[in-house]
Order: sequence, then C-alpha cells, then structure tokens
Amino acid sequence: SYVLTQPPSVSVAPGQTARVTCGGNNIGSRSVHWYQQKPGQAPVLVVYEDSDRPSGIPARFSGSNSGNTATLTITRVEAGDEADYYCQVWDRDSEVFGTGTKVTVL
Amino acid sequence: VQLVQSGSEVKKPGASVKVSCEASGYTFITYYIYWLRQAPGQGLEWMGMINPSGGTTAYAQKFQGRVTMTRDTSTNTVYMALTSLTSDDTAVYYCARGDCSTSTCYSDSWGQGTLVTVSS
Repeated sequence: SYVLTQPPSVSVAPGQTARVTCGGNNIGSRSVHWYQQKPGQAPVLVVYEDSDRPSGIPARFSGSNSGNTATLTITRVEAGDEADYYCQVWDRDSEVFGTGTKVTVL
Repeated sequence: VQLVQSGSEVKKPGASVKVSCEASGYTFITYYIYWLRQAPGQGLEWMGMINPSGGTTAYAQKFQGRVTMTRDTSTNTVYMALTSLTSDDTAVYYCARGDCSTSTCYSDSWGQGTLVTVSS
C-alpha cells in the first residue's frame, strides 16, 4: 500500500512560518489533502486537492505538492494553530493517511 | 453539514459494537460516508465506506469479515458494526462525509467521534 511519511514534530515561534512535509513516492502525481486535529477534537479539513481551502479556513494555510513531497505551510502562526496535522491521499479506493506531525507553537 | 454520533461504549473482549452516525444539513444520499478510527495516541485509520444511495460498501482489507456498514435512509443514519472485539480495537471511531473529484476523495466533514473501550 502507499506510504506517506511525515516528521513527528515541528516547532515554530508565534508569527513565524511553519512547514509540514508529507513524503511519498511520486506524490506530486496525486492529490493531497490536509487535516488539523486539536487535542480531544475531531479532525478538520484545512487544505484539499493540494492547495484549495474549504470555506472558513484562513488564507494563512496553504499547500503545495511536487515530486516526492507535499507541503502544508502555515504563515503568521498563532497559538491556536498548535495541533496535529495529517496528510492524506486516495489510493486503491481508500483513504491513506500520513503518520501525523505535531506542530508546537513556542 | 452535521454528523452526530452515538455515545461512548464499553465492551468486553469478543463482543460486538454498533456505532451510529446521523447526518443532516445536506442531501443524505449524495455523499458517501466513511468510517475511520484513531487508537489512543495514534494516527488516523480508514476502515471503509458506504454509499447511502444504494447501500453498497467497501471495507479496508484489515477489517474484512469483522465490519459491517449499513444505512437507514428514513432517518439519514449510517451504522458501523464491529465484531470479535479485542483490546486493539479500543479507539475513537469517527464517521466522515466523503467528497470526491475526478481522481481523489477526502473527508470534508466529521462526526464528533465515539470512544469504544474494550476491556475485561
């Protein structure tokens, strides 16, 4: 099955930019989706189809995808952005998730 | 869009559990419903999906033979039943609405989650 690899953690100071990567074999040929999950809450879709944002998601959240790496970028990071972030692709009629990255706001 | 799940469950090893997910705010039969789970401190795991229109299902290989997903179009409710529970099935179970474009699908709205605890 298709494997997605994420760094376990990313730390960022408030107001700075956080980048969360998602590695996969030729992932650039697939659509990648990103979810934010805060402690004790259900995941929330923050980016879909590589770079589109659902309504209500701030423009500070953006995505890109090329080659073997997809990236979720969070600009002007706020304390409320502290959460786990998961990438996801659709493979063989099922959702496949990355291992998850904990974003810590210093 | 709102997905409301049933409450927490505590089951003994070998038992079965059935979790419900009531959908509202959209036309029920036009979107698949996915079921996912998350073990304590772990990541997200996709279990399978159901098409509320015709009731057709597809399950992840890992759960084949143990999971059954059904729907009731009169109440806009989807159910997920899991049998032969072990402690490894202790997790929060989520339903999610699946949205698809030409070549990909994703979960655009999620239920609040249902904690299933398997313990003797």
